[in-house]
Amino acid sequence: DTEVTQTPKHLVMGMTNKKSLKCEQHMGHRAMYWYKQKAKKPPELMFVYSYEKLSINESVPSRFSPECPNSSLLNLHLHALQPEDSALYLCASSHPGVGPTGELFFGEGSRLTVL
Amino acid sequence: RKEVEQDPGPFNVPEGATVAFNCTYSNSASQSFFWYRQDCRKEPKLLMSVYSSGNEDGRFTAQLNRASQYISLLIRDSKLSDSATYLCVVNKPMDSSYKLIFGSGTRLLVRP
Repeated sequence: DTEVTQTPKHLVMGMTNKKSLKCEQHMGHRAMYWYKQKAKKPPELMFVYSYEKLSINESVPSRFSPECPNSSLLNLHLHALQPEDSALYLCASSHPGVGPTGELFFGEGSRLTVL
Repeated sequence: RKEVEQDPGPFNVPEGATVAFNCTYSNSASQSFFWYRQDCRKEPKLLMSVYSSGNEDGRFTAQLNRASQYISLLIRDSKLSDSATYLCVVNKPMDSSYKLIFGSGTRLLVRP
């Protein structure tokens, strides 16, 4: 079982809704990530938080708003999404830098459908 | 050109077969290389890191050729449970950190 917990596992929302995805880890990792994955495609990086500060934003539209309230929690706030935003949203954590070990610990993902 | 390129497959092999996956990367400044495995509708998980000297973990052998910017994964004696998508992953230096770039994955189907 993964040590990164994501909720909800499934979410269906309309284009005018506001919802949030949540992620929690208790491995003491100080880097946390949001990835988006479409069917039969690799994960695409969206945001990276390092020591609770946003360090990478991959030019993600503002309708996606990340938040890192503390070192264990990562949220992704969703507002005015489009149907093409439907995807699996994966949260991951690691030791900062990722370079030496490369091990990202992924959650099971939140499968989002935008109607 | 994609930063990390893989043959998408699928590779359809019988149990017991040996299968090899290849991957090329474009950024010569990359320092760390990995193979991740992703089962259908599951999250990716680290399979193994790839070192210049080559490394082996049971039935799995990974090789790196920095001059050719080429990474490989060899699976011997394939098992049904090896069926999955194998993602080649390369780290990309940023200003003060790194990020991981995922290849599009190679799908493996092992049949009885």
